[in-house]
Amino acid sequence: EPEVTQTPSHQVTQMGQEVILRCVPISNHLYFYWYRQILGQKVEFLVSFYNNEISEKSEIFDDQFSVERPDGSNFTLKIRSTKLEDSAMYFCASRVEGYEQYFGPGTRLTVT
Amino acid sequence: ELKVEQNPLFLSMQEGKNYTIYCNYSTTSDRLYWYRQDPGKSLESLFVLLSNGAVKQEGRLMASLDTKARLSTLHITAAVHDLSATYFCAGAYNFNKFYFGSGTKLNVKP
Repeated sequence: EPEVTQTPSHQVTQMGQEVILRCVPISNHLYFYWYRQILGQKVEFLVSFYNNEISEKSEIFDDQFSVERPDGSNFTLKIRSTKLEDSAMYFCASRVEGYEQYFGPGTRLTVT
Repeated sequence: ELKVEQNPLFLSMQEGKNYTIYCNYSTTSDRLYWYRQDPGKSLESLFVLLSNGAVKQEGRLMASLDTKARLSTLHITAAVHDLSATYFCAGAYNFNKFYFGSGTKLNVKP
């Protein structure tokens, strides 16, 4: 069964460093999403992406964040200068024209 | 902004009992979603409710939507230990901006 994959599973970085989180959505899916979940808290929407552009973004998704679909298969989230409060689980999701999102396994980002 | 509130936040129940999780949302939502999350795992889609009066059932879980009351419920029938998890509801704005509730952590005791 097709699934969303994410790499790495765990990323440790120092404050101020740039990180890129990678996702490979399900191949025929058209809509792509990034979410984050701080440990023990709710899931927070970051951004949605369709037709090679951002369709919606949350207040969290400020100038420090960017997304890209560089090659038709990968979908990346870049954080330019990480802060301690960026430590969280980051989930990628995708969906085809329809309603159900499929989530990847997540990348745990630890900022020290 | 769409606000989504779930209650209860924690639910401890005995196997075999029934219970309901409530999800209220503040403004019109295009759809209403229910997800399950096991500890340390990703989210699994359970239900997508599309319109007023929608009811969906899968095994011991049944979800419903009342758009006039801005309320969705997730009903658990004859709970079993395997249902222990955190359950999230989420609404969507413009089909692509999602707002999640705080989650209900369900513990089903044998």
